[in-house]
Amino acid sequence: EAQVTQNPRYLITVTGKKLTVTCSQNMNHEYMSWYRQDPGLGLRQIYYSMNVEVTDKGDVPEGYKVSRKEKRNFPLILESPSPNQTSLYFCASRQDRGYLGYTFGSGTRLTVV
Amino acid sequence: KQEVTQIPAALSVPEGENLVLNCSFTDSAIYNLQWFRQDPGKGLTSLLLIQSSQREQTSGRLNASLDKSSGRSTLYIAASQPGDSATYLCAVLTNDYKLSFGAGTTVTVRA
Repeated sequence: EAQVTQNPRYLITVTGKKLTVTCSQNMNHEYMSWYRQDPGLGLRQIYYSMNVEVTDKGDVPEGYKVSRKEKRNFPLILESPSPNQTSLYFCASRQDRGYLGYTFGSGTRLTVV
Repeated sequence: KQEVTQIPAALSVPEGENLVLNCSFTDSAIYNLQWFRQDPGKGLTSLLLIQSSQREQTSGRLNASLDKSSGRSTLYIAASQPGDSATYLCAVLTNDYKLSFGAGTTVTVRA
């Protein structure tokens, strides 16, 4: 089944403790991206990657890092999480320029206390 | 910058009624438009994808239309069921390959 897999689904952590949210897709998509969703603010893009070793900032990149060492994986790294990063996070992928649309993961609910 | 607006923000209807959800966008230079469904706290499920050259797409009880020149798309859900209760998101992919989302319409179908 074609899918984007995120782990973990739920995560509670403390301020300043580094964490990584993994994202993997099995569709051989070139493009992958991370979004966060907050009430009243909708979905906002954090980072995206056009292909392996190519990443760029989205609209809200502060406090986040990403890497794209393999085509299928695009982990999101929070080196020093803060409570304002409590949110619902989504990873998404698309083929090349998006003619076939986007596929989203099931989401990661992150709480930073 | 592309602005995507969804009206209404919330909608409550009795079971069996047809649903009409609206999406408008400010920049008509779009590549395609995608409708998603999101259940509370869950992921986004793609419902319909309309390319910029198309006028509509249909899947079962769902029909989405696109009028690129006026910057509008409408999602119709026929004969609504309680299982249709969810938030529906409209997402527009512009010609610079950037995806912009609307805030969503939250639908409640009453049994």
